[in-house]
Amino acid sequence: KAGVTQTPRYLIKTRGQQVTLSCSPISGHRSVSWYQQTPGQGLQFLFEYFSETQRNKGNFPGRFSGRQFSNSRSEMNVSTLELGDSALYLCASSSYSGGASEQYFGPGTRLTVT
Amino acid sequence: SQELEQSPQSLIVQEGKNLTINCTSSKTLYGLYWYKQKYGEGLIFLMMLQKGGEEKSHEKITAKLDEKKQQSSLHITASQPSHAGIYLCGAEGGGSNYKLTFGKGTLLTVNP
Repeated sequence: KAGVTQTPRYLIKTRGQQVTLSCSPISGHRSVSWYQQTPGQGLQFLFEYFSETQRNKGNFPGRFSGRQFSNSRSEMNVSTLELGDSALYLCASSSYSGGASEQYFGPGTRLTVT
Repeated sequence: SQELEQSPQSLIVQEGKNLTINCTSSKTLYGLYWYKQKYGEGLIFLMMLQKGGEEKSHEKITAKLDEKKQQSSLHITASQPSHAGIYLCGAEGGGSNYKLTFGKGTLLTVNP
């Protein structure tokens, strides 16, 4: 079974631009969660999607948004990028909502904002 | 909101030595998860603990959750270079709040 894939793996953007990151979950998994990891704040939960619906949301500004498609693939979008958005963005999939013990993480997308 | 404090922040040990990483919560832990991360990569699930006093082992790694369910420890016996990485503890919020809150991680270096 293929693992969680994230594209692109690396991205460099300029302040003020917007960016879209993609996550393809493990086949059969319907839940996708997104996390932001920075040296200062550590790993923080962004949001979770299950069957195309946002089920849970972390404490991030509205510039961070996401969606999930009918095939369970998910995208997250960050608009009006700030320097502080530079981070490793991880997605994780599981077969059911809230299935933290069965979360499988992707390799991440490293975003650098200049 | 729940906060998880990990100690130490970093650890350098000689191959073959034992070590312990601690994770302390500001609130009761309803589900405590341990993950390992290679630098810049995704997380690998190690173990989950739910019951006070619970202890689980996998190969040379043992994790425990204290009786009061506010502290967990991860113990590695006879460390190897393959154990090197960042260890993170994560906890569920309890009730319907199952999103994970993470500690800031412990960077483990194992010198051959």
